[in-house]
Amino acid sequence: NAGVMQNPRHLVRRRGQEARLRCSPMKGHSHVYWYRQLPEEGLKFMVYLQKENIIDESGMPKERFSAEFPKEGPSILRIQQVVRGDSAAYFCASSPTSGRSPSSYEQYFGPGTRLTVT
Amino acid sequence: GNSVTQMEGPVTLSEEAFLTINCTYTATGYPSLFWYVQYPGEGLQLLLKATKADDKGSNKGFEATYRKETTSFHLEKGSVQVSDSAVYFCALYTGTASKLTFGTGTRLQVTL
Repeated sequence: NAGVMQNPRHLVRRRGQEARLRCSPMKGHSHVYWYRQLPEEGLKFMVYLQKENIIDESGMPKERFSAEFPKEGPSILRIQQVVRGDSAAYFCASSPTSGRSPSSYEQYFGPGTRLTVT
Repeated sequence: GNSVTQMEGPVTLSEEAFLTINCTYTATGYPSLFWYVQYPGEGLQLLLKATKADDKGSNKGFEATYRKETTSFHLEKGSVQVSDSAVYFCALYTGTASKLTFGTGTRLQVTL
């Protein structure tokens, strides 16, 4: 069973360009989460999606950032007009359920995409 | 809201030394608690978890006990190895907010 897959692993963009980060959840998982890790900091929640629905985007910046999880294909985190402050590692995680029962809940993380804005 | 506080690093230990990384939390409800490990250049791997008070999670020689009275989940290992050098993250999940809340991470460096 393949784990969570993210690509690209490394992405370099110039200021003003667009960045597209892709995440394929584990087989059988229908819940996807995106987190951002700034240098030397912990992970901060950005957005939680189920197929075709955004459930919680409370951690997402209001401008330039968007996320989707279409019926077919990977989840996409899109950053328009990137700035240097967007340089970070972006991690995707997936879970099989919504975690209504915390005792059985786990999120599985991908290897991350390291975005560098020059 | 929910929050996790970890001891600041870096923690530098000699091989075979005893490790403790402190973690305390604030949460509504009854959280599940996790330790994740991040090796250099990699993503997060679940190290261990505990889902209710007094539960002990353990894996690869690491242990942590869910202490509700002190709202703590300290990570311990009796004898660390160079290969344990990594960043360790404490996290919680309550189910009322569908996301993990992470501490800032503690970098562990183990030397020969």
